[in-house]
Amino acid sequence: QQPVQSPQAVILREGEDAVINCSSSKALYSVHWYRQKHGEAPVFLMILLKGGEQKGHEKISASFNEKKQQSSLYLTASQLSYSGTYFCGTGLYLTTDSWGKLQFGAGTQVVVTP
Amino acid sequence: EAGVAQSPRYKIIEKRQSVAFWCNPISGHATLYWYQQILGQGPKLLIQFQNNGVVDDSQLPKDRFSAERLKGVDSTLKIQPAKLEDSAVYLCASSLASGGANEQFFGPGTRLTVL
Repeated sequence: QQPVQSPQAVILREGEDAVINCSSSKALYSVHWYRQKHGEAPVFLMILLKGGEQKGHEKISASFNEKKQQSSLYLTASQLSYSGTYFCGTGLYLTTDSWGKLQFGAGTQVVVTP
Repeated sequence: EAGVAQSPRYKIIEKRQSVAFWCNPISGHATLYWYQQILGQGPKLLIQFQNNGVVDDSQLPKDRFSAERLKGVDSTLKIQPAKLEDSAVYLCASSLASGGANEQFFGPGTRLTVL
């Protein structure tokens, strides 16, 4: 089942902060975050695993709330290069039924302006 | 390290025609994925290979889509016959192994337009 991302879009000025949320109705093993710029392939940002710590990539960090089956991506002091569409991909436990496949959300479009 | 290679990058066909896409994953990656990304949506998994065996094709429209992974390396995705709703970007990705803890590396994609 596809995770739900919010908000659908956000416009920021350089230096501002933003939070993107990703929620699932199923018990998750992992949450992946990717950024995709227009016309390009998705680029990996980070993976959060159940029981793991909060991760960071430059000034982008994320957390995983296991009780709520929700992950949040934090864009801190945003830069122009942060513009793009952010996707979360949720993974279930590796089983013969799931094989750890990812279900991607619909994406959050982020626009950072000067 | 070379990334995931895909070809062609763009393809325009008429409905009911056939089309094939090729993918060469990162060397040593056992798991290969084909995704369909419709404009404005997230990638949707079509098929997942573990080496040369299919482990998930639950969302593959098998009446018109087929895929194979020869010798556990390169892969080909075919659509025959194509429909208008198949217009999308087809992304190939690979990872070291299956499982949600493995990062997936995406190729540049093939943009298919069906007229």
